[in-house]
Amino acid sequence: TQLLEQSPQFLSIQEGENLTVYCNSSSVFSSLQWYRQEPGEGPVLLVTVVTGGEVKKLKRLTFQFGDARKDSSLHITAAQPGDTGLYLCAGHGSSNTGKLIFGQGTTLQVKP
Amino acid sequence: GAGVSQTPSNKVTEKGKYVELRCDPISGHTALYWYRQSLGQGPEFLIYFQGTGAADDSGLPNDRFFAVRPEGSVSTLKIQRTERGDSAVYLCASSLTGGRDTQYFGPGTRLTVL
Repeated sequence: TQLLEQSPQFLSIQEGENLTVYCNSSSVFSSLQWYRQEPGEGPVLLVTVVTGGEVKKLKRLTFQFGDARKDSSLHITAAQPGDTGLYLCAGHGSSNTGKLIFGQGTTLQVKP
Repeated sequence: GAGVSQTPSNKVTEKGKYVELRCDPISGHTALYWYRQSLGQGPEFLIYFQGTGAADDSGLPNDRFFAVRPEGSVSTLKIQRTERGDSAVYLCASSLTGGRDTQYFGPGTRLTVL
């Protein structure tokens, strides 16, 4: 069974601080995705990383895919209150149906 | 353009009752997914439709759960004899053709079983 574990589960920081969220698995994934979810809404895709060792940047967010394609990280520089939300990593299951396997999520609270 | 919509946004029911949750995918998307998200957890896959047929229902927890998509567009998730453990947010997502296509999620239906 493919599982994704995220850490930390909860993070409360002050505006301007940096943070890193981790997503780990014992299984190899062909790609991993990061989503952000706000209360009362569905997850919204931020990025997909495909190649081992790949680094992608989205403004103040930096995403990295591990060399062995078993882990990923999300780093936020100079966090802002607007970054508050639930961050989810997800990978496609071993079938080709497109079903996603999600980590349990990291709740980020950025205080002004 | 219209995104994925789900109705109702909230549903409160009593243990043992039957409920139906509806999903309207993005127009033209052939793939439709249902997920369930419990409090403090990530979404869990339930079922995947390609057109009218359920291509993967491996995530349905038991035979009280059933879903249909009779015309390849709107889908209904049906739960019989609801239990308190069924309380969760039920998310629907659609993608253009399935596979690795980007999935677009609806806002979810929050189901509470008393």
